[in-house]
Amino acid sequence: AILLTQSPSSLSASVGDRVTLSCRASQAIGTAVAWYQQKPGKPPKLLIHEASNLESGVPPRFSGSGSGTDFTLTITSLQPEDFATYCCQQFDRFPLTFGPGTKVDIK
Amino acid sequence: EVQLVESGGGLSQPGRSLRLSCTTSGFKFGDYAMSWVRQAPGKGLEWVGLVRSKTYGGTTQYAASVKGRFTISRDESKSIAYLQMNSLKTEDTAVYYCSRNIQLWLLDYYYMDVWGTGTTVIVS
Repeated sequence: AILLTQSPSSLSASVGDRVTLSCRASQAIGTAVAWYQQKPGKPPKLLIHEASNLESGVPPRFSGSGSGTDFTLTITSLQPEDFATYCCQQFDRFPLTFGPGTKVDIK
Repeated sequence: EVQLVESGGGLSQPGRSLRLSCTTSGFKFGDYAMSWVRQAPGKGLEWVGLVRSKTYGGTTQYAASVKGRFTISRDESKSIAYLQMNSLKTEDTAVYYCSRNIQLWLLDYYYMDVWGTGTTVIVS
C-alpha cells in the first residue's frame, strides 16, 4: 500500500498567516492526490483534487501543487474558519490511503 | 441538494455483525462509485472499501484490514449503499462515513467529493 506522510503533524498560526502543508507519498503517484479539511465532529470536506484543482465553492486562498511523491497545500491569509485538520489522500491505486493529517490551530 | 445519510451504527459485541446503510438523494446514484471510510476515536481517516458504479459492474475493492469480513453492496432501486460488517473486532470501533466518489478519466481513479455525517460503531 502507498504510505502518505504529512508534515508538520501540527502547527500554530495566526489569522492572516500563509501556511504550507506537506504530503509525501512512498512511491510516485502522478497527480492522484486530494486534500480534505476536517473539523472536530464533522465529516471531511474536499478542498483540492488531482493535486491542484480547487473544488467548486472552496475559497481561492486554498491551493495545491506537486506531482510524483511530493505535494503541498497552501493557505494564503489564514481565516478563523480555517483552523482544522488537513489530510491528503492518494487515489493512484488501491487501497486508497490517507495521510495522518496536519492540525492547524490558533497561535 | 446532494445528501448522504448513514444509519445502522450502534453497540455490538466482538464476533457479531452489523449492517450500515447510506441513503442518498439529490444525484443520479447509479452513475457514482461509493466508498466507506472510518475514523477511530482520535485517529485519522481509514478507507474501508468501495463499490463501483453500476456502469462499471458494481464491483468492489477493500482494505486489507476488512477484506473477507466486510462486504459493500448497493441497491440501485433505493439509491442506498450498504456495508455489511461480520466478525466484528474491537478495532472496528469508529465513526463510519459513506462518501460519493468521483471517477477520473473513465479509469479506476477515485476521490471523495461528498460525505455523510457518519454513524458510530462501537465493538465491545
